[in-house]
Amino acid sequence: NAGVTQTPKFRVLKTGQSMTLLCAQDMNHEYMYWYRQDPGMGLRLIHYSVGEGTTAKGEVPDGYNVSRLKKQNFLLGLESAAPSQTSVYFCASSNGHRTLSYSNQPQHFGDGTRLSIL
Amino acid sequence: TQLLEQSPQFLSIQEGENLTVYCNSSSVFSSLQWYRQEPGEGPVLLVTVVTGGEVKKLKRLTFQFGDARKDSSLHITAAQTGDTGLYLCAGGPTKIIFGKGTRLHILP
Repeated sequence: NAGVTQTPKFRVLKTGQSMTLLCAQDMNHEYMYWYRQDPGMGLRLIHYSVGEGTTAKGEVPDGYNVSRLKKQNFLLGLESAAPSQTSVYFCASSNGHRTLSYSNQPQHFGDGTRLSIL
Repeated sequence: TQLLEQSPQFLSIQEGENLTVYCNSSSVFSSLQWYRQEPGEGPVLLVTVVTGGEVKKLKRLTFQFGDARKDSSLHITAAQTGDTGLYLCAGGPTKIIFGKGTRLHILP
């Protein structure tokens, strides 16, 4: 009963390097989200997806790209890492029921990826 | 700009005491969620409130949605050390935003 799994759990990068964070969910959820959590800023939405093959920008999308090629996976990419992207990244999912608007809000979170950019 | 204000930011109380934390906005929300987050883990959804005036109970936790759907409160009765954590509210009329949280520490 894994729920939402994020890999890796920790990573240190140098400025300018690239990497991909992987999120996998086994609940057959339609909606998936990427958030970053910074001290004093709360959780901020980076990108989200309402279904396989779709992505949309959130509150802080600059410097990130995402892909949802398979329903169960949502990838977050950093093409050229910057120190300002040092953060804890959380993936989340929800079932996105058509008639229940609150089901579009994140319901299950992974345990996060702690990313440091030097 | 839509904001969710949570208060207090920090709260430290003795085990067995009661407490209330608040989540306020100037906007009307279609729904509001409460989460608890423990160190090193992701937020865990506790409850969703949808109807103005709605009250939901989860064991010793009581959640209330304001009549005007602009505010919510979380009341904990007889707090236990296991209640320690960061409590987040989230919601929005359309786009979902998160408050910055109330960090609760229950002393044994």
